[in-house]
Amino acid sequence: DGGITQSPKYLFRKEGQNVTLSCEQNLNHDAMYWYRQDPGQGLRLIYYSQIVNDFQKGDIAEGYSVSREKKESFPLTVTSAQKNPTAFYLCASSIKVGWGRQETQYFGPGTRLLVL
Amino acid sequence: SQQGEEDPQALSIQEGENATMNCSYKTSINNLQWYRQNSGRGLVHLILIRSNEREKHSGRLRVTLDTSKKSSSLLITASRAADTASYFCATDKGTYKYIFGTGTRLKVLA
Repeated sequence: DGGITQSPKYLFRKEGQNVTLSCEQNLNHDAMYWYRQDPGQGLRLIYYSQIVNDFQKGDIAEGYSVSREKKESFPLTVTSAQKNPTAFYLCASSIKVGWGRQETQYFGPGTRLLVL
Repeated sequence: SQQGEEDPQALSIQEGENATMNCSYKTSINNLQWYRQNSGRGLVHLILIRSNEREKHSGRLRVTLDTSKKSSSLLITASRAADTASYFCATDKGTYKYIFGTGTRLKVLA
């Protein structure tokens, strides 16, 4: 059963706590992405990675960190520096088809992060 | 502001009617994609149209692209209650990342 999985579905964070959201794909895609979605809003890019051991900041990277040690995995850590972390977090992956060109993005089911 | 802006923000129609939503963008693109999101779920890819294409069909979906006006439209024909969702356009400027619009919330009434 191929696709992208995200866990957990719901995550609760206490003040001052770092939490990590998991994203795994078995589609053999090179590129992976993390987006944040606030209620009634579109998606904003947090981080993206085009290849293992390399990643780039997106538009709202402050307070977040990522790693890309394996092609299949792209975990996102929400640090205590992120003062307003409550949101829906979506992971996606895609195939690179050439320099600067992407194709369809495949999305995971999302993780909803709530602050206690 | 977002590269892609959908219009209208919300749309309510009766089952069987057609639904049209529009997307405008600001800079030149490689391709434009439309996605659907059911409430509380991830996004599902619907259709991709490249900058050298003007129209594309997939089942009940028809997408047009006008690069001179920097706009695209998504038409869903003979809508069903199951089409109720938010629809987003996403543009690829060739910078390894897509920029998503704020979405159109479609409600199809049975």
